[in-house]
Amino acid sequence: DTEVTQTPKHLVMGMTNKKSLKCEQHMGHRAMYWYKQKAKKPPELMFVYSYEKLSINESVPSRFSPECPNSSLLNLHLHALQPEDSALYLCASSSGPSGNTIYFGEGSWLTVV
Amino acid sequence: GQNIDQPTEMTATEGAIVQINCTYQTSGFNGLFWYQQHAGEAPTFLSYNVLDGLEEKGRFSSFLSRSKGYSYLLLKELQMKDSASYLCAVYSNYQLIWGAGTKLIIKP
Repeated sequence: DTEVTQTPKHLVMGMTNKKSLKCEQHMGHRAMYWYKQKAKKPPELMFVYSYEKLSINESVPSRFSPECPNSSLLNLHLHALQPEDSALYLCASSSGPSGNTIYFGEGSWLTVV
Repeated sequence: GQNIDQPTEMTATEGAIVQINCTYQTSGFNGLFWYQQHAGEAPTFLSYNVLDGLEEKGRFSSFLSRSKGYSYLLLKELQMKDSASYLCAVYSNYQLIWGAGTKLIIKP
C-alpha cells in the first residue's frame, strides 16, 4: 500500500475562516511534507516533519500552521488566508528524510474567497 | 546555486519513443526523481535513481549520470494517456529541488 490520503479534496474558505487540511499514511514513513503548488508551476516545499518533529519550515507565513499528532498524521491549520493562497496543497511522505522515494497524496484544492 | 533544467514542452506521436532530458547543478545529491503530473492532479512517482545507470520499469526507463549532472526519462510505445507534465526533481540536503516540468503532448 503506497497510499497517502488527503482530506478534503476541495475546500473553499473565507479570509476570516479557520480550517484544516489533513493527511494520513500507513506505510510506516517517518518523514512527511507539505507542498504548495500553483498552476503550471512545480510544487514548493512548505514544511518537513522528520520523526514527528518539524525539521524544515521554508519561511511560510504564520497563517499556515502545521501539526504532526503522530507518525501517521499530518495536519495543516489555516487561518486568515489571502486569495493568493489559493492553490493545490500536497502532502507527501517518505520512509526517511534522506531521499527515499517520496509519495504524494492526491492533494487538496484550496480556494480562498 | 541550485538549478534544474528540462525542456518546457515536447511533442511526440502515439506509438513512438520520446526522451526527456534533465540537467542539474545542486549543492548536494541524494537521488533524482521523475514524476508524472496530469493537469489538475497530484504528481505520481515514476522513478528514482541514486546510482549511475539505467532503471527500467515497463514502458518507462530513467537514466542517471552523476558525473555529468544529467538524467533522462525514456517513454516507449507512447499512448495518448501519456500526455502530461513530467517533473525532474533532485533530492539535495533533505529537500526536493524541482525542475519546472516538461509538458509532453502526444499526437495521434
